[in-house]
Amino acid sequence: QKEVEQNSGPLSVPEGAIASLNCTYSDRGSQSFFWYRQYSGKSPELIMSIYSNGDKEDGRFTAQLNKASQYVSLLIRDSQPSDSATYLCAVGYSSASKIIFGSGTRLSIRP
Amino acid sequence: EPEVTQTPSHQVTQMGQEVILRCVPISNHLYFYWYRQILGQKVEFLVSFYNNEISEKSEIFDDQFSVERPDGSNFTLKIRSTKLEDSAMYFCAGQGAANYGYTFGSGTRLTVV
Repeated sequence: QKEVEQNSGPLSVPEGAIASLNCTYSDRGSQSFFWYRQYSGKSPELIMSIYSNGDKEDGRFTAQLNKASQYVSLLIRDSQPSDSATYLCAVGYSSASKIIFGSGTRLSIRP
Repeated sequence: EPEVTQTPSHQVTQMGQEVILRCVPISNHLYFYWYRQILGQKVEFLVSFYNNEISEKSEIFDDQFSVERPDGSNFTLKIRSTKLEDSAMYFCAGQGAANYGYTFGSGTRLTVV
C-alpha cells in the first residue's frame, strides 16, 4: 500500500515568517512529487512540482526533495494571510499513473 | 488560462438514483482522472483514462461507477445507484504529459439523501 504522510496541523505561522511543511512517502520507486494548495470548499491547485533531489524555487515557494530519506518539503517565505489553506503533498509512481495524495496540512497565517 | 470545467457544481440526489457528473477537459491534455474527496478526508483516486480507455481504477471504482467520453471531448462519471456514502466532492483532472502535475476542475459536490 503506497502511503503519503503529512502532519495534519494546524500549523500557525506569523505573517512575514517562513512556513515549513513536510511530507514522507513509502514507495522508493516514486518519480514525481507535487504540492497542491486547497482552500476550503475548492479544488486543489498545483503550486510546485519536483522530480530530482535538491531544491526547486518558484517565487516565495521552495520545494525540497530527498529521495534517500523519502522526504519532501515545502517552504513558503514571507507568509501572507492569503497563504492560509490546506497544503496537499502528492506523489506519482510511474509515468501517466495516478498520484496519491496525503491528507494535507492546514496552515494558518496569523497577522 | 485554460480551465477544466465541471457541471453541475452541486447535485442533490435520492439514494438509489443514478447521477451523471460532467467534465470538459483542457483540449491538449492527454491523461484524465476522476478523484473524490469526502468532507474532511483525503483526495482519493477513482479512475484514470488514456487513449479512450480506462488505464487504472481503484477499489472504490466498483461496478456502480462508469466513465465515458461520449463525444471525444467531454467526460462523464456515472454512478448507477447512489448510496449515502457516495456523498463527496468529485473532481475531474487532466494532465498534459506523463509525470506533469494535474489541473483540477472546480468539482461537483454530490449530496445523496
